[in-house]
Amino acid sequence: GNSVTQMEGPVTLSEEAFLTINCTYTATGYPSLFWYVQYPGEGLQLLLKATKADDKGSNKGFEATYRKETTSFHLEKGSVQVSDSAVYFCALSPLQGAQKLVFGQGTRLTINP
Amino acid sequence: GAVVSQHPSRVICKSGTSVKIECRSLDFQATTMFWYRQFPKKSLMLMATSNEGSKATYEQGVEKDKFLINHASLTLSTLTVTSAHPEDSSFYICSAPRDTQYFGPGTRLTVL
Repeated sequence: GNSVTQMEGPVTLSEEAFLTINCTYTATGYPSLFWYVQYPGEGLQLLLKATKADDKGSNKGFEATYRKETTSFHLEKGSVQVSDSAVYFCALSPLQGAQKLVFGQGTRLTINP
Repeated sequence: GAVVSQHPSRVICKSGTSVKIECRSLDFQATTMFWYRQFPKKSLMLMATSNEGSKATYEQGVEKDKFLINHASLTLSTLTVTSAHPEDSSFYICSAPRDTQYFGPGTRLTVL
């Protein structure tokens, strides 16, 4: 079946630190991969995505590369800000263009000034 | 950008009552919407796909008679939790696709 595993949180960092949130997946076929972010009191927002192997998604300084050989899609940012504090969800869509999403458990990130 | 709203944002009800949650796409039409449930410190679990003009499609293990879904128009889907019990307490989130999935802010249901 399809599943997504994220690193356990919560994660607490100081401002300007380097961030990595690990995400690995299990899927049949060729899924699309996503990172969603949920700021306090708001709905999930798409942060970035990648639709095929070796694609790199990027947005707002965050990056993630679709690694088929390691079935991973780790989220990275070189220098985090307090405003990045949120819950981050890794997700996959089993089929290209499909709309159903399978989510990881979410990682709560807190950035201290 | 596209906006999806949910109403109410939180609701408290007594055991045995029914609760209706609305999901609206505010500036686009959606023939399909999705309903998710989020348990504390756990991921979002897809409950069902709401289809405008036809029956909802439920994921395995989700009771369709308990979680009634009606896609009344191209901008509105409703989830009714019937005969709610404390174990139904959860955070319910809807989404609607356009260029990507747009999520509502969620509804916190507490059943006493």
